[in-house]
Amino acid sequence: NAGVMQNPRHLVRRRGQEARLRCSPMKGHSHVYWYRQLPEEGLKFMVYLQKENIIDESGMPKERFSAEFPKEGPSILRIQQVVRGDSAAYFCASSFSWGTVNTEAFFGQGTRLTVV
Amino acid sequence: KNEVEQSPQNLTAQEGEFITINCSYSVGISALHWLQQHPGGGIVSLFMLSSGKKKHGRLIATINIQEKHSSLHITASHPRDSAVYICAVQAETSGSRLTFGEGTQLTVNP
Repeated sequence: NAGVMQNPRHLVRRRGQEARLRCSPMKGHSHVYWYRQLPEEGLKFMVYLQKENIIDESGMPKERFSAEFPKEGPSILRIQQVVRGDSAAYFCASSFSWGTVNTEAFFGQGTRLTVV
Repeated sequence: KNEVEQSPQNLTAQEGEFITINCSYSVGISALHWLQQHPGGGIVSLFMLSSGKKKHGRLIATINIQEKHSSLHITASHPRDSAVYICAVQAETSGSRLTFGEGTQLTVNP
């Protein structure tokens, strides 16, 4: 049972380009969370998705950032027109369910985005 | 004030020492996690607990729900334990969504 798979592991983009980060949850998991870790800072929640639904996007910047988790395929975190301040490690986590049972979250290796 | 506070921020120890990292939180929680992150690496879940104490090898995690406090202990520390240790909580109303402490950078010298 493969763990949470994120790709790419490292991504370099020029200012103004688009960045697409992918996350395949663990088999059987239908809940996906994206977190961002800015340099020298702690992890911060961005968005929580279930299949085809955005449940909570309260941590997402209002502009340029979007996320989806389609019925088939990985979850995608998309950053349009990247700026240097978007440089960070982006982690995805998945869980089996929501609530207090079986909610342990498993993390991917992260995607390290560098904007030059 | 952050919802999750860790102490110390940085900790240096000699190999073999007993190590304690503390975590205090201010919200009602359904579970608390201890995570480990190596430089440039991914995040590994060490423990998830909602009461009492858990032990895995040289690692022990305890939680006191009434005091809103948890500790992570490492016995017989080793240089390979050097990493950032992160406390994270699942608030009662937030399902699996995690709120993180700032992390504790642990360095164990040989």
